[in-house]
Amino acid sequence: AQSVAQPEDQVNVAEGNPLTVKCTYSVSGNPYLFWYVQYPNRGLQFLLKYITGDNLVKGSYGFEAEFNKSQTSFHLKKPSALVSDSALYFCAVRDTGGFKTIFGAGTRLFVKA
Amino acid sequence: KAGVTQTPRYLIKTRGQQVTLSCSPISGHRSVSWYQQTPGQGLQFLFEYFSETQRNKGNFPGRFSGRQFSNSRSEMNVSTLELGDSALYLCASSWQKSTDNEQFFGPGTRLTVL
Repeated sequence: AQSVAQPEDQVNVAEGNPLTVKCTYSVSGNPYLFWYVQYPNRGLQFLLKYITGDNLVKGSYGFEAEFNKSQTSFHLKKPSALVSDSALYFCAVRDTGGFKTIFGAGTRLFVKA
Repeated sequence: KAGVTQTPRYLIKTRGQQVTLSCSPISGHRSVSWYQQTPGQGLQFLFEYFSETQRNKGNFPGRFSGRQFSNSRSEMNVSTLELGDSALYLCASSWQKSTDNEQFFGPGTRLTVL
């Protein structure tokens, strides 16, 4: 069965510093991996995805993620955090044979000015 | 292009009642998924539809059901509501039949069961 783990409930970072939000996954076959962000009282917004190819994926708002097959990880990164990046971030996995997306529990990012 | 719309945005019901939530996907999107979001359980997959066919279903009791119409609009129904059904219900649509497409989420319907 596929699963996603986000080991940190909250990540705190100072504005201007790099940020990392961690995600590990378990899926049979090749995974499709996604990151979404949720702002208060709103639905989720797509940030980026890994399907195949280059392990470093670039997405919206300056975010990027690195796919590591040996460690089954897909960590979200940004070189310089902004206060406006403060939100709830979800990692998700979808296996190539199924029609179901499994989301991690979410990580709340707090960027301090 | 208009985004995913969900109606109603807020709903208050009492235990034992039933409720129907509606979702209109982005024009041209044929896949619609439903999720339940709660503080304790996070985002839980309910079901996914493509061209009026349910392709997958999550681990929810039979009280939860859904359908998709020929115009891709979707509804989900919860019968015999329980207090634990209080949640934000999110609908998401995607473009193609393949499974590698990102999903576009609506703002959700917040259901409160008293």
